[in-house]
Amino acid sequence: ETGVTQTPRHLVMGMTNKKSLKCEQHLGHNAMYWYKQSAKKPLELMFVYSLEERVENNSVPSRFSPECPNSSHLFLHLHTLQPEDSALYLCASSPQTGLNQPQHFGDGTRLSIL
Amino acid sequence: QQQVKQSPQSLIVQKGGISIINCAYENTAFDYFPWYQQFPGKGPALLIAIRPDVSEKKEGRFTISFNKSAKQFSLHIMDSQPGDSATYFCAPPVGNNLFFGTGTRLTVIP
Repeated sequence: ETGVTQTPRHLVMGMTNKKSLKCEQHLGHNAMYWYKQSAKKPLELMFVYSLEERVENNSVPSRFSPECPNSSHLFLHLHTLQPEDSALYLCASSPQTGLNQPQHFGDGTRLSIL
Repeated sequence: QQQVKQSPQSLIVQKGGISIINCAYENTAFDYFPWYQQFPGKGPALLIAIRPDVSEKKEGRFTISFNKSAKQFSLHIMDSQPGDSATYFCAPPVGNNLFFGTGTRLTVIP
C-alpha cells in the first residue's frame, strides 16, 4: 500500500467520450503529479500541482484537463482522446515540489481508447 | 531529448547472481540519483538513492555506485532473487521533473 490510490484501475473509452481519472493520497503531501507511461518510452511528466495550484504543464494537449480541488485529491478529465493516448496514467505525490524529494506513485489507470 | 540513457533494456540473471543496471546522464544539474522499481500492475516505487557527495551507497542487497567524472551511476543487486524480477528505472530529478530512463526489465531465473 503506497498511500496513493487511483481509480478506476482500467478504463476503455471511445474517442468521443468524456471521463475522469481520480487520484487520492493519504500521506499528507502537498504536491501531486500526473505521469503518462507508454510502452517503450520513458515516463512523461504531464502536470504538477503544489498546494492545489498548477505549477507545471509539460505541453500536454488540451484534451487532458487536470483539477486539484484540495491537496489530497487530483483529477484528470479526458475528452476527445486519440488512440495514441492509450497508456498507463500514473499519479504521484511528494511532501513538496522540487527539493529532490522521492515521489510516491499510485498503481495507475490503464486507459484504452477505441 | 533524452536526459538519461539506461542499459541494458532487459536482463536475465540466475538466482544468486549479481544484476547490474547502468545509467548515463548529460545534465550536470542532476544532484540526486534515485532508482525506482516497478512490478507488473503496480506504480514505480523508490528503491534506493544517492547524492553525489558519496561514491557508493548500500542498502541490504542493493548498492548504487556513482561515478561523477564519467557521469554514470549503476544499480547492483547482489544475490538476486526471483522476487527481484521487475522493471528498474533511473530517474534523476531537476526541480519537479523526474527524468526517467527507458527501464530495464530484470528476470531472475530460479
